[in-house]
This record gives sequence, C-alpha cells and structure tokens, in this order.
Amino acid sequence: SAVISQKPSRDICQRGTSLTIQCQVDSQVTMMFWYRQQPGQSLTLIATANQGSEATYESGFVIDKFPISRPNLTFSTLTVSNMSPEDSSIYLCSVDTGYYTFGSGTRLTVV
Amino acid sequence: SQELEQSPQSLIVQEGKNLTINCTSSKTLYGLYWYKQKYGEGLIFLMMLQKGGEEKSHEKITAKLDEKKQQSSLHITASQPSHAGIYLCGADIWGRGSTLGRLYFGRGTQLTVWP
Repeated sequence: SAVISQKPSRDICQRGTSLTIQCQVDSQVTMMFWYRQQPGQSLTLIATANQGSEATYESGFVIDKFPISRPNLTFSTLTVSNMSPEDSSIYLCSVDTGYYTFGSGTRLTVV
Repeated sequence: SQELEQSPQSLIVQEGKNLTINCTSSKTLYGLYWYKQKYGEGLIFLMMLQKGGEEKSHEKITAKLDEKKQQSSLHITASQPSHAGIYLCGADIWGRGSTLGRLYFGRGTQLTVWP
C-alpha cells in the first residue's frame, strides 16, 4: 500500500485568501483524488488529477475555485481560492494502489 | 447521485458489547470499502470487499458483502474504547482502473464505547 504525506495538517485562514494543500505519495500513481468533508457530512469527491492532463472536476466544483496541479506521478496540490467560511472542511487526497488509501487530511477553518 | 445509506448514524455501547453497522447501496458494487476516521483526521483503511458473499476479519472486526453485492455490514465483537471513532463505508460502482474510478461515501457512524 502507498504512504501519503499531506500538508498542512490544519490551518486557520482569513476569508478571501487562498490555501494550497500538498500531497506526496511514496510511489508512482496514475490518478490522485481530492475529497472534501464538510462538518458533519460525508466525503465528496472534488476532482480527479491525472499527470499530464487537466484535472476532471465533479459537478458543483470548478477549476477557478479549486485549481489542481499534478506535475509528476507522485505529487499533487489542491488550492482553495478566495475562501469563505463555507470552505471550512477537511480536505483529503487519495490514491489507488490496490485499495484506496487516504492522506491524513487538512483541517481548514476560514474566519 | 449514488445513494449509499449507512446506519445507524451514531452508536453508543458499553465496552465488551458487540455491534453492527450497515451500509446499503442502490447500485451493484464493484467494491465496498470500510474506513475508520478519528475526529478531524484522515481515513484508516480497514477492509475491502469485492465478491458477493465475501467475508473478511481483522482482529475483532468482521465485514461482509451480501450475495447481491448491494449491502455490507461491519461487526465488532467485544468492543473496546480503542474502537471509538467514525466508521465510513465507501462504494466503488465503476471498478478500479476505470477512468471514473472513485468512491462514494456514506455519512458515517459515530461509535462511542464507554468503559
């Protein structure tokens, strides 16, 4: 199974600013997935990031708000842009290397 | 959207008691994943079930996928305080390796185990 290093683990940000979340995997993977977990809710897929191509976004999520980079097969970033309190959530990255493995999550609070 | 119902929403049990959490899908599953999440943290993989009728166990936790591959249960025997947390089921309705591969999650079950 893969080991995913995700950072930051938590942050408190001012509204209107942006935060970039990083995920580093210890092996090469084709697809990386970004999820959001709003307070008291389940996980919702934001987008799927493939190396060398544009990320594929789920309904309700747009690139301007959640730009994603995937510069190589072991790394990806998710940026939460122009944040509002409604963006306060846990953000998780995930990869499939036999089963779906998740990073430790980024707990974001927007004030 | 994929309907994945998880029940109960919360569970409070005394240490030593057995408990069961259920996960029901409206669609046939290629795979059903169980995870444990501690408050505000990432997901810890517990088990993956892919075949109808499959049953897997790890320590005191057993998970089953029914024959029709639309319902799974997670059973904890002789619960301990270390079992406390949020249990999430994740459904794969497309199959790993598909360009649409991803998981749909239930709302989770908050488990509290008191001594």
